[in-house]
Amino acid sequence: GEDVEQSLFLSVREGDSSVINCTYTDSSSTYLYWYKQEPGAGLQLLTYIFSNMDMKQDQRLTVLLNKKDKHLSLRIADTQTGDSAIYFCAEVSGDSGAGSYQLTFGKGTKLSVIP
Amino acid sequence: DGGITQSPKYLFRKEGQNVTLSCEQNLNHDAMYWYRQDPGQGLRLIYYSQIVNDFQKGDIAEGYSVSREKKESFPLTVTSAQKNPTAFYLCASSIDWTGYQETQYFGPGTRLLVL
Repeated sequence: GEDVEQSLFLSVREGDSSVINCTYTDSSSTYLYWYKQEPGAGLQLLTYIFSNMDMKQDQRLTVLLNKKDKHLSLRIADTQTGDSAIYFCAEVSGDSGAGSYQLTFGKGTKLSVIP
Repeated sequence: DGGITQSPKYLFRKEGQNVTLSCEQNLNHDAMYWYRQDPGQGLRLIYYSQIVNDFQKGDIAEGYSVSREKKESFPLTVTSAQKNPTAFYLCASSIDWTGYQETQYFGPGTRLLVL
């Protein structure tokens, strides 16, 4: 079945760039998402990228998509302590013939920012 | 102020009791979802609803039930048949279920503890 893999932990110093990586398996995925979860809270949509794009930039966030390797990354420039959270990668996967789609999440990467 | 609300934030239940978690949205979204999150795990889909009066089982529906009598509301009942109900429950919604675009927006979550 479809699977989304992420490393579980990442530590960076404040002011440095963070790069969170994700691999997915469904080559027919059309949208890929990054969500942020702060402690005890719901998921906040950070950004998403359509599969016909290689890169998307939104202020401090840069998303890179390598469809050939099924690899997605999220780069956070000038990482701040407020960026400390769990970051989830998610892909849309499913059966286009049946019209049945599902959002599949990775287990999340816990980003710790060291002051 | 549009959004998704879940109540309560914390919920305690005795073993053998059913309990209902509330999810309300005023975004005029057709589709709604329930996920379960366990520590160190990604999100797992319990149930989803594409439209009023319709719902489908997700990956881990056993021990849960839902209803969708109104567009705004998608309550989840955790029954006594759910053997390990202690978890963080997240509700989400998306504009519709048009096929492959599923940008989901999440509520703040309810943490259920079984005593």
